[in-house]
Amino acid sequence: DGGITQSPKYLFRKEGQNVTLSCEQNLNHDAMYWYRQDPGQGLRLIYYSQIVNDFQKGDIAEGYSVSREKKESFPLTVTSAQKNPTAFYLCASSIGDAGALTQYFGPGTRLLVL
Amino acid sequence: AQKITQTQPGMFVQEKEAVTLDCTYDTSDPSYGLFWYKQPSSGEMIFLIYQGSYDQQNATEGRYSLNFQKARKSANLVISASQLGDSAMYFCAMRALLISGSARQLTFGSGTQLTVLP
Repeated sequence: DGGITQSPKYLFRKEGQNVTLSCEQNLNHDAMYWYRQDPGQGLRLIYYSQIVNDFQKGDIAEGYSVSREKKESFPLTVTSAQKNPTAFYLCASSIGDAGALTQYFGPGTRLLVL
Repeated sequence: AQKITQTQPGMFVQEKEAVTLDCTYDTSDPSYGLFWYKQPSSGEMIFLIYQGSYDQQNATEGRYSLNFQKARKSANLVISASQLGDSAMYFCAMRALLISGSARQLTFGSGTQLTVLP
């Protein structure tokens, strides 16, 4: 089955620790995205990548970093600089980055700070 | 800048009845797309329906239809014959179609929690 997988489902971070959230897709999509969702709110864009080896900051990139070394993979690192990382993180992908193209989402990772 | 407003934090509907979820938007872009997503309690965002600003007809997908009124800047989702499995959070989102970069990315509303009653 084609789709987007995210792991882990739950992640716990200690103060001062960097953690990495995994996102993998086998849809052969060029574009991938990371969103953050806080309780009772909509999604906000952290980073996006239109193609391998290229990525751009979204609205709330501070405290996060990404890489796109392979088409299928777009990991997100939450660094110690992100002071309020507790949230639900969703990864998405689309065939390309054109505006009319639908983004399809993974099941999400819930990050909690200990 | 784009803005999506969903004024109904929560809605209730009886099973088998139709329900309308409101969405208004604000944008200066001449060409844009409007999306609706469903988010069940499991968390995954499920794409439901898309409407382009220049589409002549309202979009429909099975039990979902989009009541698009461009002059009023509204893109309401209509769910016909509600089912218990429709209980979820529903998000309206929009995206400019002609510009590039992060300014063209999806902007989401705050969502409406729909509960279908048996």
